[in-house]
Amino acid sequence: AQSVTQPDIHITVSEGASLELRCNYSYGATPYLFWYVQSPGQGLQLLLKYFSGDTLVQGIKGFEAEFKRSQSSFNLRKPSVHWSDAAEYFCAVGAFSGNTGKLIFGQGTTLQVKP
Amino acid sequence: DAGVTQSPTHLIKTRGQQVTLRCSPKSGHDTVSWYQQALGQGPQFIFQYYEEEERQRGNFPDRFSGHQFPNYSSELNVNALLLGDSALYLCASSLAPGEAFFGQGTRLTVV
Repeated sequence: AQSVTQPDIHITVSEGASLELRCNYSYGATPYLFWYVQSPGQGLQLLLKYFSGDTLVQGIKGFEAEFKRSQSSFNLRKPSVHWSDAAEYFCAVGAFSGNTGKLIFGQGTTLQVKP
Repeated sequence: DAGVTQSPTHLIKTRGQQVTLRCSPKSGHDTVSWYQQALGQGPQFIFQYYEEEERQRGNFPDRFSGHQFPNYSSELNVNALLLGDSALYLCASSLAPGEAFFGQGTRLTVV
């Protein structure tokens, strides 16, 4: 079955420190992988996505993620966290077939940033 | 471009009632998907509409139904509301798989 696991429910980092959010997926075929961010009371904003090619993908707001097929992982990283990065982060895998498809989300990781 | 717009933003309903949520997709997008996000959870796929037809459906009961209009806008209807239907309902529009843009959501509270 297709699934996404985000092992860390809540993470706290100090402003300026580096960040890594973990994501593991289960998917039979070549995965389409996504990271979204959600601020309180808001919708989802796409940070980055991986479809194929270079396994290190760059996104918006200084985020990057690395696809590791051997570990079924797609971890999100940022070298220096800003207070405005505090939010909920969701990893997702795309279950696509032809012109249709859905996103399967993990449970999310809440990021708290200490001043 | 206004992006994906959803209405209303907040809604309070009583158990047993029916509710209709609305979504206008991003300009040019012909596919609309609906997701339910319970508190503290990730979004769960409800269904997807393309060319006014339901193309794919998640694991939701028949109380959840939808519609897509010729202008690509969409409605989500939920009948016989249960307390457990309280959630943030997200609409996403796309022109191709993997290119989804999300709206701000409708917060539904069932009392």
